[in-house]
Amino acid sequence: GAGVSQSPSNKVTEKGKDVELRCDPISGHTALYWYRQSLGQGLEFLIYFQGNSAPDKSGLPSDRFSAERTGGSVSTLTIQRTQQEDSAVYLCASSSGGTSHSYGYTFGSGTRLTVV
Amino acid sequence: GNSVTQMEGPVTLSEEAFLTINCTYTATGYPSLFWYVQYPGEGLQLLLKATKADDKGSNKGFEATYRKETTSFHLEKGSVQVSDSAVYFCASNAGGTSYGKLTFGQGTILTVHP
Repeated sequence: GAGVSQSPSNKVTEKGKDVELRCDPISGHTALYWYRQSLGQGLEFLIYFQGNSAPDKSGLPSDRFSAERTGGSVSTLTIQRTQQEDSAVYLCASSSGGTSHSYGYTFGSGTRLTVV
Repeated sequence: GNSVTQMEGPVTLSEEAFLTINCTYTATGYPSLFWYVQYPGEGLQLLLKATKADDKGSNKGFEATYRKETTSFHLEKGSVQVSDSAVYFCASNAGGTSYGKLTFGQGTILTVHP
């Protein structure tokens, strides 16, 4: 597609429920990233995909968080047994840079998750 | 490890005022440096970047120069407009085994009044 698409744009869920957040990157972009933006905080790195593999998942906050990417394209971030502290905007980004460090990302508009 | 420190906001200016948002970084090696902007209700957009020392990134009247000696990448604009009101994020990318992972500053909220 023309840009990075994320769905849903907003999600309200009850504490303890599982949620799935979807990211559809720019066609042909091999690198995909998930970040979290909490109120009053900066952007926190969660996980990086190169193709379908995740060489760096060091930012996942706990084992309740997992992510996968299939077909080198769409990625899903799953949060199990959601907690109120999981409330944040979850941002996905993609780039064609692979291991190059000079490329910038293209970000999606994010999914605003609210856990009540 | 890598880190990015931005000046704390919020910053409030009148239209046509001069803007500076300070950014300093720590990193091993020679990172690429970026400024991202997030307009109200929108996602982050790349504003400008610089990939090596003394490079100047520029876009939409904004400029930032990669200063290795002071490990800084301050954002400047000579005359701000109301439409520049947004949150600005400085970021670094160390490359190598860090892949494309960006380390972001905390963000600076800019409000420009008519």
